[in-house]
Amino acid sequence: EIVLTQSPATLSLSPGERATLSCRASQSVSRYLAWYQQKPGQSPRLLFFDASNRATGIPARFSVSGSGTDFTLTISSLEPEDFAVYYCQHRSNWPLTFGGGTKVEIK
Amino acid sequence: EVQLLESGGGLVQPGGSLRLSCAASGFTFSTYAMSWVRQAPGKGLEWVSGITNTGGTTYYADSVKGRFTISRDNSKNTLYLQMNSLRAEDTAVYFCANFWLVTGPLWGQGTLVTVSS
Repeated sequence: EIVLTQSPATLSLSPGERATLSCRASQSVSRYLAWYQQKPGQSPRLLFFDASNRATGIPARFSVSGSGTDFTLTISSLEPEDFAVYYCQHRSNWPLTFGGGTKVEIK
Repeated sequence: EVQLLESGGGLVQPGGSLRLSCAASGFTFSTYAMSWVRQAPGKGLEWVSGITNTGGTTYYADSVKGRFTISRDNSKNTLYLQMNSLRAEDTAVYFCANFWLVTGPLWGQGTLVTVSS
Protein backbone atom coordinates (compact mmCIF):
# COMPACT_ATOMS: atom_id res chain seq x y z
CA GLU A 1 0.00 0.00 0.00
CA ILE A 2 1.27 3.45 -0.93
CA VAL A 3 1.16 5.82 2.03
CA LEU A 4 0.62 9.50 1.26
CA THR A 5 1.95 11.86 3.92
CA GLN A 6 0.73 15.44 3.83
CA SER A 7 2.52 18.24 5.61
CA PRO A 8 2.02 20.34 7.50
CA ALA A 9 -1.13 19.07 9.17
CA THR A 10 -2.22 22.66 9.77
CA LEU A 11 -1.12 25.85 8.07
CA SER A 12 -2.03 29.13 9.77
CA LEU A 13 -1.83 32.01 7.35
CA SER A 14 -3.40 35.37 6.60
CA PRO A 15 -5.30 36.32 3.45
CA GLY A 16 -2.87 37.39 0.76
CA GLU A 17 -0.11 35.11 1.99
CA ARG A 18 1.37 32.20 0.03
CA ALA A 19 0.49 28.63 1.02
CA THR A 20 2.71 25.68 0.22
CA LEU A 21 1.32 22.21 0.85
CA SER A 22 3.30 19.00 0.52
CA CYS A 23 2.28 15.44 -0.33
CA ARG A 24 4.91 12.73 -0.15
CA ALA A 25 4.36 9.16 -1.35
CA SER A 26 6.04 6.13 0.19
CA GLN A 27 6.80 4.91 -3.34
CA SER A 28 6.42 6.38 -6.78
CA VAL A 29 2.91 7.16 -7.99
CA SER A 30 4.28 8.44 -11.30
CA ARG A 31 1.96 11.31 -12.21
CA TYR A 32 -1.21 9.70 -10.89
CA LEU A 33 -1.89 12.15 -8.11
CA ALA A 34 -4.92 14.35 -7.51
CA TRP A 35 -5.56 17.26 -5.17
CA TYR A 36 -8.90 18.14 -3.57
CA GLN A 37 -10.26 21.01 -1.53
CA GLN A 38 -12.97 20.38 1.05
CA LYS A 39 -14.96 22.82 3.11
CA PRO A 40 -17.17 21.87 6.08
CA GLY A 41 -20.38 20.17 5.03
CA GLN A 42 -19.33 19.94 1.39
CA SER A 43 -18.10 17.14 -0.85
CA PRO A 44 -14.48 17.23 -2.00
CA ARG A 45 -13.82 19.59 -4.89
CA LEU A 46 -11.28 18.47 -7.47
CA LEU A 47 -8.40 20.92 -7.99
CA PHE A 48 -5.87 18.98 -10.07
CA PHE A 49 -5.54 15.44 -11.42
CA ASP A 50 -2.71 13.42 -12.92
CA ALA A 51 -0.28 15.75 -11.19
CA SER A 52 -0.76 18.86 -13.29
CA ASN A 53 -4.14 18.90 -15.01
CA ARG A 54 -6.21 21.75 -13.65
CA ALA A 55 -9.87 20.95 -13.07
CA THR A 56 -12.53 23.16 -14.59
CA GLY A 57 -12.95 26.50 -12.90
CA ILE A 58 -9.91 26.34 -10.64
CA PRO A 59 -8.31 29.79 -10.35
CA ALA A 60 -4.78 30.45 -11.56
CA ARG A 61 -3.58 31.24 -8.04
CA PHE A 62 -3.57 27.48 -7.49
CA SER A 63 -0.59 25.61 -8.95
CA VAL A 64 1.02 22.22 -8.54
CA SER A 65 4.37 20.62 -9.14
CA GLY A 66 6.03 17.28 -8.70
CA SER A 67 6.06 13.70 -9.88
CA GLY A 68 7.13 10.37 -8.51
CA THR A 69 7.10 10.71 -4.74
CA ASP A 70 7.08 14.44 -4.00
CA PHE A 71 4.27 16.81 -4.88
CA THR A 72 3.45 20.38 -3.94
CA LEU A 73 0.25 22.42 -4.10
CA THR A 74 0.79 26.17 -3.96
CA ILE A 75 -1.76 28.91 -3.45
CA SER A 76 0.01 32.09 -4.48
CA SER A 77 -2.15 34.55 -2.57
CA LEU A 78 -4.80 33.23 -0.23
CA GLU A 79 -8.34 34.42 -0.73
CA PRO A 80 -10.91 34.10 2.08
CA GLU A 81 -12.61 31.22 0.26
CA ASP A 82 -9.38 29.19 0.15
CA PHE A 83 -9.38 28.40 3.85
CA ALA A 84 -10.28 24.74 3.85
CA VAL A 85 -8.83 21.24 4.10
CA TYR A 86 -6.77 19.93 1.20
CA TYR A 87 -6.23 16.25 0.37
CA CYS A 88 -3.99 14.44 -2.06
CA GLN A 89 -4.91 11.03 -3.50
CA HIS A 90 -3.22 8.57 -5.85
CA ARG A 91 -4.58 6.14 -8.42
CA SER A 92 -1.27 4.51 -9.29
CA ASN A 93 -2.30 1.05 -8.16
CA TRP A 94 -4.63 -0.71 -5.75
CA PRO A 95 -5.38 0.12 -3.05
CA LEU A 96 -5.96 3.75 -3.77
CA THR A 97 -5.12 5.96 -0.83
CA PHE A 98 -5.58 9.49 0.43
CA GLY A 99 -3.29 11.69 2.41
CA GLY A 100 -4.35 12.74 5.88
CA GLY A 101 -5.09 16.29 4.77
CA THR A 102 -3.71 19.77 5.40
CA LYS A 103 -5.97 22.31 7.05
CA VAL A 104 -5.35 25.85 5.88
CA GLU A 105 -6.73 28.10 8.59
CA ILE A 106 -6.92 31.84 9.09
CA LYS A 107 -4.17 33.16 11.31
CA GLU B 1 -24.32 14.88 -18.22
CA VAL B 2 -21.60 12.83 -16.56
CA GLN B 3 -22.97 11.88 -13.16
CA LEU B 4 -22.89 9.44 -10.25
CA LEU B 5 -25.85 9.22 -7.91
CA GLU B 6 -25.68 7.22 -4.69
CA SER B 7 -28.64 5.88 -2.76
CA GLY B 8 -29.39 3.44 0.04
CA GLY B 9 -27.92 5.17 3.04
CA GLY B 10 -29.73 5.43 6.34
CA LEU B 11 -29.79 4.47 9.99
CA VAL B 12 -28.91 0.86 10.87
CA GLN B 13 -28.23 -0.90 14.13
CA PRO B 14 -24.81 -2.30 14.98
CA GLY B 15 -24.45 -5.72 13.42
CA GLY B 16 -26.96 -4.87 10.72
CA SER B 17 -26.66 -4.70 6.95
CA LEU B 18 -27.20 -2.12 4.27
CA ARG B 19 -26.73 -2.04 0.51
CA LEU B 20 -25.64 1.11 -1.24
CA SER B 21 -26.22 1.73 -4.94
CA CYS B 22 -24.56 4.15 -7.32
CA ALA B 23 -26.19 4.91 -10.66
CA ALA B 24 -23.81 6.10 -13.35
CA SER B 25 -24.70 8.16 -16.41
CA GLY B 26 -22.98 10.12 -19.15
CA PHE B 27 -20.04 7.74 -19.67
CA THR B 28 -19.50 4.14 -20.74
CA PHE B 29 -19.78 2.56 -17.31
CA SER B 30 -18.54 -0.86 -18.38
CA THR B 31 -15.21 0.61 -19.48
CA TYR B 32 -14.09 1.86 -16.07
CA ALA B 33 -13.03 0.57 -12.70
CA MET B 34 -15.03 2.10 -9.88
CA SER B 35 -14.50 2.79 -6.21
CA TRP B 36 -16.25 3.57 -2.95
CA VAL B 37 -14.78 6.20 -0.62
CA ARG B 38 -16.06 7.22 2.80
CA GLN B 39 -15.64 10.05 5.25
CA ALA B 40 -16.50 9.65 8.91
CA PRO B 41 -17.72 12.75 10.76
CA GLY B 42 -14.83 15.14 11.31
CA LYS B 43 -12.34 12.75 9.71
CA GLY B 44 -10.44 12.50 6.46
CA LEU B 45 -11.23 10.66 3.26
CA GLU B 46 -10.81 6.87 3.26
CA TRP B 47 -10.84 4.65 0.17
CA VAL B 48 -13.05 1.65 0.99
CA SER B 49 -13.26 -0.63 -2.03
CA GLY B 50 -12.67 -0.88 -5.76
CA ILE B 51 -13.72 -3.11 -8.64
CA THR B 52 -12.37 -3.58 -12.14
CA ASN B 53 -14.49 -2.73 -15.18
CA THR B 54 -15.68 -6.31 -15.69
CA GLY B 55 -16.19 -6.97 -12.01
CA GLY B 56 -13.66 -9.75 -12.17
CA THR B 57 -11.38 -8.36 -9.48
CA THR B 58 -12.27 -6.55 -6.29
CA TYR B 59 -10.20 -4.72 -3.71
CA TYR B 60 -10.90 -3.73 -0.11
CA ALA B 61 -9.43 -1.65 2.66
CA ASP B 62 -8.40 -3.76 5.64
CA SER B 63 -10.99 -1.96 7.76
CA VAL B 64 -13.88 -3.49 5.76
CA LYS B 65 -12.41 -6.71 4.36
CA GLY B 66 -14.67 -9.68 5.05
CA ARG B 67 -17.66 -7.47 5.89
CA PHE B 68 -18.25 -5.39 2.75
CA THR B 69 -18.75 -6.65 -0.82
CA ILE B 70 -18.47 -4.47 -3.89
CA SER B 71 -20.21 -5.49 -7.10
CA ARG B 72 -21.53 -4.00 -10.30
CA ASP B 73 -24.18 -4.59 -12.93
CA ASN B 74 -22.89 -3.20 -16.21
CA SER B 75 -26.27 -3.79 -17.89
CA LYS B 76 -27.80 -1.37 -15.36
CA ASN B 77 -24.82 1.03 -15.12
CA THR B 78 -24.91 0.54 -11.37
CA LEU B 79 -22.31 -0.01 -8.69
CA TYR B 80 -23.16 -1.60 -5.34
CA LEU B 81 -21.69 -1.89 -1.87
CA GLN B 82 -23.14 -4.57 0.38
CA MET B 83 -22.25 -3.76 3.96
CA ASN B 84 -22.68 -6.44 6.62
CA SER B 85 -21.78 -6.65 10.31
CA LEU B 86 -21.87 -2.88 10.52
CA ARG B 87 -20.09 -1.13 13.36
CA ALA B 88 -20.34 2.35 14.84
CA GLU B 89 -17.03 3.20 13.19
CA ASP B 90 -18.60 2.58 9.76
CA THR B 91 -20.72 5.69 10.27
CA ALA B 92 -19.77 7.98 7.41
CA VAL B 93 -20.78 9.62 4.18
CA TYR B 94 -20.15 7.09 1.41
CA PHE B 95 -19.19 8.30 -2.05
CA CYS B 96 -18.88 6.34 -5.25
CA ALA B 97 -16.21 7.55 -7.62
CA ASN B 98 -14.61 6.99 -11.00
CA PHE B 99 -10.95 7.95 -10.84
CA TRP B 100 -10.09 7.01 -14.43
CA LEU B 101 -11.99 9.40 -16.65
CA VAL B 102 -9.73 11.36 -18.99
CA THR B 103 -11.46 14.50 -17.75
CA GLY B 104 -10.50 13.72 -14.16
CA PRO B 105 -12.06 12.02 -11.14
CA LEU B 106 -15.82 12.01 -10.87
CA TRP B 107 -17.56 11.75 -7.50
CA GLY B 108 -21.15 11.32 -6.47
CA GLN B 109 -22.78 13.58 -3.90
CA GLY B 110 -22.55 10.95 -1.17
CA THR B 111 -25.02 9.06 0.99
CA LEU B 112 -24.95 9.05 4.79
CA VAL B 113 -24.76 5.78 6.69
CA THR B 114 -25.33 5.97 10.42
CA VAL B 115 -24.70 2.91 12.57
CA SER B 116 -26.31 3.37 15.95
CA SER B 117 -28.70 1.70 18.34
